[in-house]
Amino acid sequence: NAGVTQTPKFRILKIGQSMTLQCTQDMNHNYMYWYRQDPGMGLKLIYYSVGAGITDKGEVPNGYNVSRSTTEDFPLRLELAAPSQTSVYFCASSYSSRSGDEQFFGPGTRLTVL
Amino acid sequence: QKEVEQNSGPLSVPEGAIASLNCTYSDRGSQSFFWYRQYSGKSPELIMSIYSNGDKEDGRFTAQLNKASQYVSLLIRDSQPSDSATYLCAVNPPFSGGYNKLIFGAGTRLAVHP
Repeated sequence: NAGVTQTPKFRILKIGQSMTLQCTQDMNHNYMYWYRQDPGMGLKLIYYSVGAGITDKGEVPNGYNVSRSTTEDFPLRLELAAPSQTSVYFCASSYSSRSGDEQFFGPGTRLTVL
Repeated sequence: QKEVEQNSGPLSVPEGAIASLNCTYSDRGSQSFFWYRQYSGKSPELIMSIYSNGDKEDGRFTAQLNKASQYVSLLIRDSQPSDSATYLCAVNPPFSGGYNKLIFGAGTRLAVHP
């Protein structure tokens, strides 16, 4: 199993540009999450999904959108990039939502908005 | 406001010593607690989870939970240079709707020197 994969690894965007961060997991996990991590800070939840077709906002959803058309894929869309969205983005998945179920993280996408 | 607080460090310990990492949280009803290790430029990986008051041991790692004091700690015995990383404390707060919507601390950087 590849686990959780993310593309691209690095990206530089200009202000106002759009892009999609890809996330795929091959563990047949129902639950998927998007986090951002700013320098020297902990991870903050952007959006999460409990299954195909079902998504909900996390702590910091503004400026982002998600979709979940399949169990495997959970892309994150930035519509109008702003410098405040410069961060490292991590996708994660877990088998269930039971409190304590381990979340497996992808390698991250480092995004810079100039 | 939900908060998870950690001392940012760096915490410097000699090889072979015990490293003690601490975390406090604001939501009294929180039920599950996690310690993640994050090497520089890498994604977080789960090393310990704890749900009940007291100690939980796994190899060289011991997690300690005191819900009355809203305090969770991680002890690393016989610290090795390979333990040098940032340790993130994460808490699943109450009223998460049954979903594992973790709140992360900013992390404590541990440096183990030979």
